[in-house]
Amino acid sequence: ELKVEQNPLFLSMQEGKNYTIYCNYSTTSDRLYWYRQDPGKSLESLFVLLSNGAVKQEGRLMASLDTKARLSTLHITAAVHDLSATYFCAVDNFGNEKLTFGTGTRLTIIP
Amino acid sequence: GAVVSQHPSRVICKSGTSVKIECRSLDFQATTMFWYRQFPKQSLMLMATSNEGSKATYEQGVEKDKFLINHASLTLSTLTVTSAHPEDSSFYICSASVWPDRDSNEKLFFGSGTQLSVL
Repeated sequence: ELKVEQNPLFLSMQEGKNYTIYCNYSTTSDRLYWYRQDPGKSLESLFVLLSNGAVKQEGRLMASLDTKARLSTLHITAAVHDLSATYFCAVDNFGNEKLTFGTGTRLTIIP
Repeated sequence: GAVVSQHPSRVICKSGTSVKIECRSLDFQATTMFWYRQFPKQSLMLMATSNEGSKATYEQGVEKDKFLINHASLTLSTLTVTSAHPEDSSFYICSASVWPDRDSNEKLFFGSGTQLSVL
């Protein structure tokens, strides 16, 4: 059974600081997704990572994938308040678009 | 990106009634749609996979008689929560898989979600 774990579960950080969210998964993966969710809202797609060594960046967020270590990271650079949200990683391990979601990381950026 | 419309966004119903949630792909055809549920402050759990013209595939532990899924066309899947009870209160989110692939990276698109509250 595929398990996807994120850490930390909760993260409070000051504006301007850098931090990394980790996503570990237990079996091989076809692709890995990162999503953002605001309270009461659905998911906003951030990144899709397809292969080992993939790195994608959008603004202050950068995601990477190490399939050998079964690890993906979401790095936040110089955090701003607007980045406060819950972030989920999700794994599609058979290429059939059935996603197993991580536990989520609730990020709060403090001014 | 492609648009997936989910309706209603919020519904309140009495215990024992049935509620239907619609998930539509607006600008693409979706042979496969997925239904997830999310309890407050928790992650998303896959409930079922819906394929156009065939029976849905339910994940272990999901009652197929309680959560009826119909995928009548390539653009519409519905989830009906039958005889709803307070424990069915949750956030339900659909996703749709693009077919044919328009972008090899972005294949999945999520609806806006439905908050179901059963009194």
